[in-house]
Amino acid sequence: AQSVTQPDIHITVSEGASLELRCNYSYGATPYLFWYVQSPGQGLQLLLKYFSGDTLVQGIKGFEAEFKRSQSSFNLRKPSVHWSDAAEYFCAVGSNDMRFGAGTRLTVKP
Amino acid sequence: KAGVTQTPRYLIKTRGQQVTLSCSPISGHRSVSWYQQTPGQGLQFLFEYFSETQRNKGNFPGRFSGRQFSNSRSEMNVSTLELGDSALYLCASSLVGTGIGKTQYFGPGTRLLVL
Repeated sequence: AQSVTQPDIHITVSEGASLELRCNYSYGATPYLFWYVQSPGQGLQLLLKYFSGDTLVQGIKGFEAEFKRSQSSFNLRKPSVHWSDAAEYFCAVGSNDMRFGAGTRLTVKP
Repeated sequence: KAGVTQTPRYLIKTRGQQVTLSCSPISGHRSVSWYQQTPGQGLQFLFEYFSETQRNKGNFPGRFSGRQFSNSRSEMNVSTLELGDSALYLCASSLVGTGIGKTQYFGPGTRLLVL
């Protein structure tokens, strides 16, 4: 069965520092992978997605993610975090029955 | 193009009542999925509709039901509300129903509080 693990429940980084949020998945075939961001009280906004092809995908707001099949990972990265990036981030896998990770809450220190 | 809209945004009900939530997908999108988000269980898939047919269903009791209309708008209904049904209910729409290219776009959600 497909599943997603986000090992970090909460991460704190300083503004301007780099960021990496981890995501590991379990999926029987070629996975469709997504990262979403959710601000408090809001819905989910799509940051980026991977279906096939180039394993490094670019998204909105300066985010990127790298698909590593050998490690079953799809980690999200950003070279320089802004205070407005503080939110909860969800990794998801699947298509017809999308499975979400538990989320990683990002706090940005001034 | 307008995004996914959900109404109402907030709702307070009491145990035993029923509730209907509405979702209007992005124009041209034919697939609508519903999710329940709670602090304890996270995001859980409820069901998906495509062209007025339920295609997939998550592991929720029969009190949770839905439908989709010919204009792709969707409603979900929860009967005999329980305290544990308090949650943020999210609707997502996608252009295609399955496979590669299926990208879901989420609405702002309906926050349901059951007292």
